[in-house]
Amino acid sequence: ETGVTQTPRHLVMGMTNKKSLKCEQHLGHNAMYWYKQSAKKPLELMFVYSLEERVENNSVPSRFSPECPNSSHLFLHLHTLQPEDSALYLCASSPQGLVSTDTQYFGPGTRLTVL
Amino acid sequence: AQKITQTQPGMFVQEKEAVTLDCTYDTSDQSYGLFWYKQPSSGEMIFLIYQGSYDEQNATEGRYSLNFQKARKSANLVISASQLGDSAMYFCAMREGAYSGYALNFGKGTSLLVTP
Repeated sequence: ETGVTQTPRHLVMGMTNKKSLKCEQHLGHNAMYWYKQSAKKPLELMFVYSLEERVENNSVPSRFSPECPNSSHLFLHLHTLQPEDSALYLCASSPQGLVSTDTQYFGPGTRLTVL
Repeated sequence: AQKITQTQPGMFVQEKEAVTLDCTYDTSDQSYGLFWYKQPSSGEMIFLIYQGSYDEQNATEGRYSLNFQKARKSANLVISASQLGDSAMYFCAMREGAYSGYALNFGKGTSLLVTP
């Protein structure tokens, strides 16, 4: 496997379910990100981890809970979601994190539908 | 205030022709990075090209080039010799200096359709 991978690619869940999204990067990067892409809205940054420490949390509801057990893996735990949480969730990684030259490389995304 | 503006919701171009996708940005930082990404219908966000604010020459990557006009705060993407596989959404993004956080600020995107 190369680059950034995400599983599952598609997920349908009810509002009372608990599920997790997984992201894995094979690039040796130090920073990992979760973004949300809703229809007709720009990508929104949700969480950032740098060297396994959460460094940014952009006012995301507590029903989204990130976890970064090591620098290669990132999870997004979901519980009691709302239909408006249906979106494409993109994971990204970058070499360093806090520099303007740092290129973020994205995974293929998980398309989430909340019923 | 929006940091990245892409004014073209949709563009058409004929195969083998060149196309320019517009992007303007807003920042007061001296150090920043500008990025273009391609997103096909499959959803993956593919990095295309990067331009640093201190780079004096326009960035080029194969058929992609970035027309960087710093005084006008403009970073247009030029795709030469368009191919059918170039049909996708294209996003301009900016990363500001170290004290402005980790976020890539994305524009709303331009949908490009390449026709035979």
